[in-house]
Amino acid sequence: GAVVSQHPSRVICKSGTSVKIECRSLDFQATTMFWYRQFPKQSLMLMATSNEGSKATYEQGVEKDKFLINHASLTLSTLTVTSAHPEDSSFYICSAMRTGGNEQFFGPGTRLTVL
Amino acid sequence: AQSVTQLGSHVSVSEGALVLLRCNYSSSVPPYLFWYVQYPNQGLQLLLKYTSAATLVKGINGFEAEFKKSETSFHLTKPSAHMSDAAEYFCAVSELPRSSASKIIFGSGTRLSIRP
Repeated sequence: GAVVSQHPSRVICKSGTSVKIECRSLDFQATTMFWYRQFPKQSLMLMATSNEGSKATYEQGVEKDKFLINHASLTLSTLTVTSAHPEDSSFYICSAMRTGGNEQFFGPGTRLTVL
Repeated sequence: AQSVTQLGSHVSVSEGALVLLRCNYSSSVPPYLFWYVQYPNQGLQLLLKYTSAATLVKGINGFEAEFKKSETSFHLTKPSAHMSDAAEYFCAVSELPRSSASKIIFGSGTRLSIRP
């Protein structure tokens, strides 16, 4: 149990386009999901906390209009990178916390490359 | 504020040797502490966690870690390294959750290499 999936696993897009990444909890309900980004050979940096049915909470320095988060159901959160630029290229990882629980379960990550 | 410091960005040991990855934390409240492993181009897998119960925590793949409050440390060990242990390891801290939205703060990571 406690499996989290991400789709797509890898995406390449042109500069100026928008990309949507999905994070799904496959066998549990997740009131809270988290989005992280990881640059090569670096640690995970929390971008935002996504709560089902409400607005996401963004970390300092993360542009909410740039990284749109939607958490419309208890099993799905989406991250949309709008008007992507090469500096947005990164590994994006989501995690999901079981409703009533306290452990985060991580997805396999999405590699975004912006040309 | 909470933080985690991992000493050594890269550790190399011989197959069969002891693995020791160091982690020190800073927290104003009793912490939850974690060790995660990440294989190339993959997400994170939880190795073990400390949640204020036993100070010696046993995890998967033969790893264990000991919580030492006096030293603010949570070092990860494995008695005998295996080639499959080569990966990136992250130490992390979060507050004892008062709500479901407790954040996890990650250390900078330690890359473990295993020499044949």
